[in-house]
Amino acid sequence: DQQVKQNSPSLSVQEGRISILNCDYTNSMFDYFLWYKKYPAEGPTFLISISSIKDKNEDGRFTVFLNKSAKHLSLHIVPSQPGDSAVYFCAARGRGTSGSRLTFGEGTQLTVNP
Amino acid sequence: DADVTQTPRNRITKTGKRIMLECSQTKGHDRMYWYRQDPGLGLRLIYYSFDVKDINKGEISDGYSVSRQAQAKFSLSLESAIPNQTALYFCATSDRRQGGGNEQFFGPGTRLTVL
Repeated sequence: DQQVKQNSPSLSVQEGRISILNCDYTNSMFDYFLWYKKYPAEGPTFLISISSIKDKNEDGRFTVFLNKSAKHLSLHIVPSQPGDSAVYFCAARGRGTSGSRLTFGEGTQLTVNP
Repeated sequence: DADVTQTPRNRITKTGKRIMLECSQTKGHDRMYWYRQDPGLGLRLIYYSFDVKDINKGEISDGYSVSRQAQAKFSLSLESAIPNQTALYFCATSDRRQGGGNEQFFGPGTRLTVL
């Protein structure tokens, strides 16, 4: 069972516009959510995270929104830049003894066109 | 120099061969992980280790084994490789002292092809 799901395999946006990447989860025991960015031939790199006790976290051009009732989170990138073109993974951490184990979504390929 | 290194970066092998993928880190982190990435499936956890004496199975440990030789080294072995183990493999580390989301730091990956 896929506990973290990114339903859009790809997204294409114009430079300067907003990119919105979505993620849904099923496990209400997740207490932290993270977004990672991955360029080809490199490992994923951490982008931004949010605790389950918050509904928004912002870092520069990147904002993550969490809707616990809908078990949905989204990553907004404003304005989008060509260098943002990458695969974005949503990840969730389980509460309790699972410690720092993360469950990842399938990823969304973002392409920002100049 | 990279904080998390993986060797080899690319490997082609044949069905039935034993393969070892190695991971080293200079971040001083106590926790280390092995993931595999397959198209359309994201990253799936194979094994993880919270310290040298603590090894745990992840979601997809069948067909794999690991060894935590030291705090800085965590190796993944395929005892008898099969074609459906063809994938991109990532090692990651994290620090238990870091609060919050326990951000994980990833190596550059090893592309393994089993013919």
